[in-house]
Amino acid sequence: AQSVTQLDSHVSVSEGTPVLLRCNYSSSYSPSLFWYVQHPNKGLQLLLKYTSAATLVKGINGFEAEFKKSETSFHLTKPSAHMSDAAEYFCVVSVNTGNQFYFGTGTSLTVIP
Amino acid sequence: DGGITQSPKYLFRKEGQNVTLSCEQNLNHDAMYWYRQDPGQGLRLIYYSQIVNDFQKGDIAEGYSVSREKKESFPLTVTSAQKNPTAFYLCASSSRGRTGWTGELFFGEGSRLTVL
Repeated sequence: AQSVTQLDSHVSVSEGTPVLLRCNYSSSYSPSLFWYVQHPNKGLQLLLKYTSAATLVKGINGFEAEFKKSETSFHLTKPSAHMSDAAEYFCVVSVNTGNQFYFGTGTSLTVIP
Repeated sequence: DGGITQSPKYLFRKEGQNVTLSCEQNLNHDAMYWYRQDPGQGLRLIYYSQIVNDFQKGDIAEGYSVSREKKESFPLTVTSAQKNPTAFYLCASSSRGRTGWTGELFFGEGSRLTVL
């Protein structure tokens, strides 16, 4: 069975400080992992994805994530938060066999000026 | 530009009425999906389709119906049987990766349905 747990429902950071959004997953197969961002009343936009290549994945807008199989984690980081990063972030897992996607419940990121 | 178009963006419905949300994609993707989003609950899968003229129920299909007559189109009908239809609805599509279904989801901008 596949599942995703986002460990924080809300994260607040000051502008210019690092961002860490935590995601743990459970998968019976080799997973693909994704981070998406959603601004209010908008669709989801892909930030980055892991599909069994390099374990450190770089995405758009300065975000990156590291796949750690031993810890079943895929945490999202950014060295310096910008006001425009304030949004909802979703961690998603997928497996090759079923073409289905499993979503975490989301982390709301607030950036304090 | 390739992408997914959802319409309408905002829709109001009276109780007892059926409404249809449109989703069109020009990405040539095989698979299409409908998700429902409620505050604090993430995304829940309503229906998905991997090929024309075939679709499967997701986790919360009751009160919804879909069709997939064309590869580009996957409309969702919210029927009067859906007890709490007020929500944000998202359509998405995906394609096969090099080794199978590992391609990411591409999303439309969403449709917000409000029942009056």
